[in-house]
Amino acid sequence: GAGVSQSPSNKVTEKGKDVELRCDPISGHTALYWYRQSLGQGLEFLIYFQGNSAPDKSGLPSDRFSAERTGGSVSTLTIQRTQQEDSAVYLCASSPSPGHLSTDTQYFGPGTRLTVL
Amino acid sequence: DQQVKQNSPSLSVQEGRISILNCDYTNSMFDYFLWYKKYPAEGPTFLISISSIKDKNEDGRFTVFLNKSAKHLSLHIVPSQPGDSAVYFCAASGDTGGFKTIFGAGTRLFVKA
Repeated sequence: GAGVSQSPSNKVTEKGKDVELRCDPISGHTALYWYRQSLGQGLEFLIYFQGNSAPDKSGLPSDRFSAERTGGSVSTLTIQRTQQEDSAVYLCASSPSPGHLSTDTQYFGPGTRLTVL
Repeated sequence: DQQVKQNSPSLSVQEGRISILNCDYTNSMFDYFLWYKKYPAEGPTFLISISSIKDKNEDGRFTVFLNKSAKHLSLHIVPSQPGDSAVYFCAASGDTGGFKTIFGAGTRLFVKA
């Protein structure tokens, strides 16, 4: 595809259930980011993958959150034992090659709206 | 610790006038700054950027100004149009230990017809 895709677009789950959110970045992009945007809030950084380096997990809010990126491409964000405060739009972005100024631009997917009842 | 701050959550401007959105940062290692625009139910899209070696970058109706000594940047939109109504995010990146981009909280711009 031409852009970043995310699935599902909407997810409604019950408190305590686990959810998996998927991100397909633009082909060839080495960097991948996960953010979340809660209602009325800005973009909250969650995790950052860059090539084969260890991911920067400094933004993950708790150990219930984890993410992996297989083969340097598709990424999955997993939230275990979901809580109501996890309700937000989860956005994925990819960029060609961070560290090179002109290519730091991130391309965002449409997001997954997660609602925890 | 907010390294990128957008202190105005919202801004209302009349169509045809200038919109000025402000952003402050604290980390002197940032050397690349970007503005993104976000419509409801869509992901943010890149709007304009500026490198720290410049103090101004212009693209059509959009101009970004960078004041490194004040650690301040601003986005000017002139003339403003109703279609510019969106949330604008300021972002910064640099060799802070991983080139992670940091976003501000966003400013919601309303352009009234």
